[in-house]
Amino acid sequence: SYVLTQPPSVSVAPGQTARISCERDNIGSKSVHWYQQKPGQAPVLVVYDDKNRPSGIPDRFSGSNSGDAATLTISRVEVGDEADFYCHVWETTSVQGIFGGGTKLTVL
Amino acid sequence: QPQLLESGPGLVKPSETLSLTCTVSGGSINSETHYWGWIRQPPGKGLEWIGSIFYTGDTYYNPSLKSRVTIAVDTSKAQFSLKVSSVTAADTAVYYCARVGVLVNCFDPWGQGTLVTVSS
Repeated sequence: SYVLTQPPSVSVAPGQTARISCERDNIGSKSVHWYQQKPGQAPVLVVYDDKNRPSGIPDRFSGSNSGDAATLTISRVEVGDEADFYCHVWETTSVQGIFGGGTKLTVL
Repeated sequence: QPQLLESGPGLVKPSETLSLTCTVSGGSINSETHYWGWIRQPPGKGLEWIGSIFYTGDTYYNPSLKSRVTIAVDTSKAQFSLKVSSVTAADTAVYYCARVGVLVNCFDPWGQGTLVTVSS
């Protein structure tokens, strides 16, 4: 089965840079999307197609994807960025959507 | 951006069928460029894709749920629906509906979600 592996948690101080990985063999050949989910709220798309930001998402959020890992990078982290983050891929072979297990970002 | 709103019973008995509806407003459900999807999230856990449907009725289901899931669309009402049969406590979750791009297959936007509890 197609599994996307994320670290359960990432901690960073305000103003620093947070990097959240999403790993799977040859994920670089797929388009990866990232969602931010704050407590009690629906997920919000923050990066699509590896590195593109929807309108309204700060440029502090960026993405990359190569080889066996995709990465969501959050620069100049703010307390308000605390949330769970999920990566997502559409698996064309089995025609299904796959989510990573999620990463809890804590701003110390 | 369209708005999506889930509706349906918040409590379902074990072995019965869970039924939810997603109403789309502010945009056309008869879109050639988007699918419509269901995703769920058990309490304290991650996201799970359930399935997606095109306005023509073409559907794609999560293989792990396919035997129990039916997704349908009613374009006259700008709604699409989800049915999950033979539910157990493991089906307790917040259920979200969302729009999915055909070419850019990300979920955006999402509905607010609705909690469905399976309990007698």
